[in-house]
Amino acid sequence: AQTVTQSQPEMSVQEAETVTLSCTYDTSESDYYLFWYKQPPSRQMILVIRQEAYKQQNATENRFSVNFQKAAKSFSLKISDSQLGDAAMYFCAYRSAWNTGNQFYFGTGTSLTVIP
Amino acid sequence: NAGVTQTPKFQVLKTGQSMTLQCAQDMNHEYMSWYRQDPGMGLRLIHYSVGAGITDQGEVPNGYNVSRSTTEDFPLRLLSAAPSQTSVYFCASRPGGVGGTEAFFGQGTRLTVV
Repeated sequence: AQTVTQSQPEMSVQEAETVTLSCTYDTSESDYYLFWYKQPPSRQMILVIRQEAYKQQNATENRFSVNFQKAAKSFSLKISDSQLGDAAMYFCAYRSAWNTGNQFYFGTGTSLTVIP
Repeated sequence: NAGVTQTPKFQVLKTGQSMTLQCAQDMNHEYMSWYRQDPGMGLRLIHYSVGAGITDQGEVPNGYNVSRSTTEDFPLRLLSAAPSQTSVYFCASRPGGVGGTEAFFGQGTRLTVV
């Protein structure tokens, strides 16, 4: 089974600053998808950004961008101009491109605090 | 847009009791699944379904049953609740196929077994 590792249980950032959350994964597959989900105190899981492994270009969504290093099996999330509403638990997730089920593999999460 | 709806949002059970967590989606998604979230362990797959009438086990299936009689509904049954099943449970769905679509999640059910 694939494994996803988030080595930073907690991170903090000053409001308006930039923070990077780390994620590494282990797989023998060449085609897959990677995701970052945000979980605020409401518990709702919200998709932040998605990356297809076959694309070399890093995905961006407004203030959120990723650094995808396929050879290193690394998928970090950069949040620019951090806002108080960014405070949440962030989960990195992996899904095979060839798995016809709904098997997402999640990391253990990083709790992000935004300091006013 | 309702999306994925889970009920109840909170539940307290006594050891040995049974119950069903309900999940319904109105997006006509083929794939549905149940995850549990425990502190320090992320989300782990319990059971999943790739269509009506088809279910399969995930990483942590013991103590849980599922069925999928319709595309919309995917209930999770706890047969005899144990304290180890205290967790937050999430139902998720996504369209069929091997495309890169994300999973859409319900708001979760916090279950406590005493």
